Amino acid sequence: GQQVMQIPQYQHVQEGEDFTTYCNSSTTLSNIQWYKQRPGGHPVFLIQLVKSGEVKKQKRLTFQFGEAKKNSSLHITATQTTDVGTYFCAGTTSGTYKYIFGTGTRLKVLA
Amino acid sequence: KAGVTQTPRYLIKTRGQQVTLSCSPISGHRSVSWYQQTPGQGLQFLFEYFSETQRNKGNFPGRFSGRQFSNSRSEMNVSTLELGDSALYLCASSFEGEWGTEAFFGQGTRLTVV
Repeated sequence: GQQVMQIPQYQHVQEGEDFTTYCNSSTTLSNIQWYKQRPGGHPVFLIQLVKSGEVKKQKRLTFQFGEAKKNSSLHITATQTTDVGTYFCAGTTSGTYKYIFGTGTRLKVLA
Repeated sequence: KAGVTQTPRYLIKTRGQQVTLSCSPISGHRSVSWYQQTPGQGLQFLFEYFSETQRNKGNFPGRFSGRQFSNSRSEMNVSTLELGDSALYLCASSFEGEWGTEAFFGQGTRLTVV
């Protein structure tokens, strides 16, 4: 079945450093979403990417969808302690609303 | 605007029992999805409802079922509970927003099966 893997599983960075998490799907995706989950909290929607090669930015966050629509990345510039949490990607194949979540990347930011 | 509300927040049940979880979506949202989150398996899709119809289903046994009412509220039922069903159950309601199909998650129901 469809699988979505994320790397790295964990990442510790010093405050001010950049951070990138990568998401890879075993199948071509219709679209991909990104979520952030704080410890003890619930996933919070960040963005959805639909087009091949699409790049979107939200302040210090840059999201990219691969040309083949099988991979995606989230890059955070100059991390802050408020960026702490687990970042999940979630992809779906064409015509469905069935989202397969990635394994998540847990980010720790050291002040 | 109220968020997605899930009840109860915490639940302890015994093996073999059945449980019903409730989810009230954000007003105006017609799509409700359910997920199971565990440390070992991560977030796994259970099913998705839209206008009282199940549109999509994940790879869970038939003990997991759900329904959606005309007011978009949804319930999830798990029968013959097993220890492995202990998890955080999340529901999310969706709408078309500025950044795409935005899903809003509730706080979840933490189910413990003993």
